[in-house]
Amino acid sequence: RKEVEQDPGPFNVPEGATVAFNCTYSNSASQSFFWYRQDCRKEPKLLMSVYSSGNEDGRFTAQLNRASQYISLLIRDSKLSDSATYLCVVNPLREYGNKLVFGAGTILRVKS
Amino acid sequence: DGGITQSPKYLFRKEGQNVTLSCEQNLNHDAMYWYRQDPGQGLRLIYYSQIVNDFQKGDIAEGYSVSREKKESFPLTVTSAQKNPTAFYLCASRASSITEAFFGQGTRLTVV
Repeated sequence: RKEVEQDPGPFNVPEGATVAFNCTYSNSASQSFFWYRQDCRKEPKLLMSVYSSGNEDGRFTAQLNRASQYISLLIRDSKLSDSATYLCVVNPLREYGNKLVFGAGTILRVKS
Repeated sequence: DGGITQSPKYLFRKEGQNVTLSCEQNLNHDAMYWYRQDPGQGLRLIYYSQIVNDFQKGDIAEGYSVSREKKESFPLTVTSAQKNPTAFYLCASRASSITEAFFGQGTRLTVV
């Protein structure tokens, strides 16, 4: 089983749609979680950190479910500019810490 | 401006050559990472370093080597033992185990 798993998509949605991505992780002791966005042939950039209480930033909402070991990202009112690959990132707790594990990414295509 | 700089942006290597990719950061981050990304795939960890003069192998370290002689610098050498080195290489740094990672703009390595 992979440490971090995501549905690769692609998710093809019209502008204005609401879309949700899930990501599961295998290490129950994982201590920090993030969603990154990656545009084609560019470096990943932080979209948002994911906190235990959940957090919201404009049209984006992230949730963490430790019991079921998954995190989610909800995008409301999708824009054309939201088209990208969304990467789920987990920091599993290990003997030698600070290792960041990336999911393979979910492709989102927003169409007019 | 604080940031993380990778060079060169594009690199061409002949079969059997060693090449070194540069990664420098002025964010005063302790942890630094090297990832490899192949087309249509996620990021795979090559090496990471928590502190100066210490580093750990990631999931795909064979054929690669690193050094961490200074906090600011974490160069990656792709050796001739790496049989399929053509890929997008990303360097990242972070301040702690609960903070996000920042990425350089990446180096595209091609074997010719």
